[in-house]
Amino acid sequence: EVQLMESGGGLVQPGGSLRLSCAASGFTFSSYAMSWVRQAPGKGLEWVSTISGDGDTTYYADSVKGRFTISRDNSKNTLFLQMNFLRAEDTAIFYCAKEVVVAGAYYFDYWGQGTLVTVSS
Amino acid sequence: DIQMTQSPSTLSASVGDRVTITCRASQSISSWLAWYQQKPGKAPKLLIYKASSLESGVPSRFSGSGSGTEFTLTISSLQPDDSATYYCQQYNSYWTFGQGTKVEIK
Repeated sequence: EVQLMESGGGLVQPGGSLRLSCAASGFTFSSYAMSWVRQAPGKGLEWVSTISGDGDTTYYADSVKGRFTISRDNSKNTLFLQMNFLRAEDTAIFYCAKEVVVAGAYYFDYWGQGTLVTVSS
Repeated sequence: DIQMTQSPSTLSASVGDRVTITCRASQSISSWLAWYQQKPGKAPKLLIYKASSLESGVPSRFSGSGSGTEFTLTISSLQPDDSATYYCQQYNSYWTFGQGTKVEIK
């Protein structure tokens, strides 16, 4: 059974930093691209970042480029999101999601339960 | 960037009704579209991928159709458990979600 468990969320002041983790199990972690998707309170879903299975390729939404860094440790089946220079508008539940590829295109087939990040003074 | 627009934003229907949600892309995305269901306080759940392929374990009352820029999610006979918010997502170029459609049971 695929399981994704996020951690590391909390309250942080504007301009501060936070590192999120996502522990994965139930599949061969290194074989799959992984992503972070966020959801502001009462709002819709926003893709944040994606990393390839080997960690060599990363993608970022314009809203976080230069501030957030996605990484992974395949030896520990863990995905990370380092968030720097946080802003109030980054307040959201952050989900990690496993990607699956069909006919060369990638979509999200499993999601974790999310971790809440609140940016406030 | 590809924008995704869903309609309606909310809908209220009775158990047993046929329900249709529309999703429009700002440019052609071929069939690279997924649909997710999200219940309050829960993570999204994949329902449909590649516009019309039903994810394993998803009830057959859910179906998807469309290609290019126009897509629909249909629930053939609405059930109480289907009360949720539904999101479309394009994965033709990066990943973009629609704003969501909240489905309520009358």
